[in-house]
Amino acid sequence: AQRVTQPEKLLSVFKGAPVELKCNYSYSGSPELFWYVQYSRQRLQLLLRHISRESIKGFTADLNKGETSFHLKKPFAQEEDSAMYYCALSFSGGYNKLIFGAGTRLAVHP
Amino acid sequence: GAVVSQHPSRVICKSGTSVKIECRSLDFQATTMFWYRQFPKQSLMLMATSNEGSKATYEQGVEKDKFLINHASLTLSTLTVTSAHPEDSSFYICSASGPVSSYEQYFGPGTRLTVT
Repeated sequence: AQRVTQPEKLLSVFKGAPVELKCNYSYSGSPELFWYVQYSRQRLQLLLRHISRESIKGFTADLNKGETSFHLKKPFAQEEDSAMYYCALSFSGGYNKLIFGAGTRLAVHP
Repeated sequence: GAVVSQHPSRVICKSGTSVKIECRSLDFQATTMFWYRQFPKQSLMLMATSNEGSKATYEQGVEKDKFLINHASLTLSTLTVTSAHPEDSSFYICSASGPVSSYEQYFGPGTRLTVT
């Protein structure tokens, strides 16, 4: 079965520090991987997806099929990055449904 | 663009009654909508996939007779929690496949259901 694992419930860093939110997945085929973000009192929104290979708000994520990982990285964290981050997987034959990880709360302190 | 709304945002109902939650795509047509449930401090759990004009596909363990889903138009899907009990209290979130890419989902703000 498909599964997404985010091992850290909380990641606490200081402003300007590098950030890496971990995500590992379990799927035997070729997945579509996404990062969604939920800021305080706001709805879930797409941050980035692996196929676009883009950087959004300074965040990047690279799909590593060998390690089945899709870690989210940012070199210098900002206070406004504080939010819940969810890694999600979509798969062939899944009718575009998303399997979410448990989420990691990123807290960036001044 | 690609805005999804939910109504109501909060609802309190008595045990044994039914409550309907609406999910609308405001500025695009969504052939597929999804319903999630989120428990406090936990992730989103997919309940069902709703396709316009056809029966919803429920995830394993989700009671289809308890959580009735209707997707009668390309802009509206409804979730009805029938004979609600306190354990049904939760945050229910819908999403719709985006207008450009079917794999991209746009989320509603969620509905907080409290069953007393």
